[in-house]
Amino acid sequence: AQKITQTQPGMFVQEKEAVTLDCTYDTSDQSYGLFWYKQPSSGEMIFLIYQGSYDEQNATEGRYSLNFQKARKSANLVISASQLGDSAMYFCAMRGWLSSGSARQLTFGSGTQLTVLP
Amino acid sequence: DSGVTQTPKHLITATGQRVTLRCSPRSGDLSVYWYQQSLDQGLQFLIQYYNGEERAKGNILERFSAQQFPDLHSELNLSSLELGDSALYFCASSVRDHGDTQYFGPGTRLTVL
Repeated sequence: AQKITQTQPGMFVQEKEAVTLDCTYDTSDQSYGLFWYKQPSSGEMIFLIYQGSYDEQNATEGRYSLNFQKARKSANLVISASQLGDSAMYFCAMRGWLSSGSARQLTFGSGTQLTVLP
Repeated sequence: DSGVTQTPKHLITATGQRVTLRCSPRSGDLSVYWYQQSLDQGLQFLIQYYNGEERAKGNILERFSAQQFPDLHSELNLSSLELGDSALYFCASSVRDHGDTQYFGPGTRLTVL
């Protein structure tokens, strides 16, 4: 079984500044995937970025980048040039084997509430 | 807009009742996943269907069941509802099996009174 830990329940950042949201994971799998999702106050879950365990380069998607440090088992999300619309809950997730061993599925962390200040 | 649709958006019902949540995946996606998001349990995987067949089960209660129809839409049935079943229920879809990125629908907020 795998575990995702997000140790920052809440974060504040000034508009236009960069912010890093922490995510650490625990797995015995050799092949896995790491995801970040954004959940605004409206409730929907929006896919942001993906990193495969064998990818040698850090993933980037526009203002989002994933700082992947495999040896430290961390997959931090970096948002550059924060905007007011970035205020939301952010979830880190890992695709790994279920405890039953029947299939691989997503396990989510507890989330980080990001507030962007004007 | 992810392309995944869920109905209804909100549902209010009483304890002991039965409800059905509906999900239509993105065009071309064969897999449908159901998740429950509650304040105390966080976001938990319930069940996955792939091309009409049950593929994987997570923390789904026996009072809950799901199916995927030939047109690939899916329904999640919740019966003998309890207060603790109040939550946001998400459907997600992916192109193939568990190896692909999952795109989430807007969710159905269930309130059990």
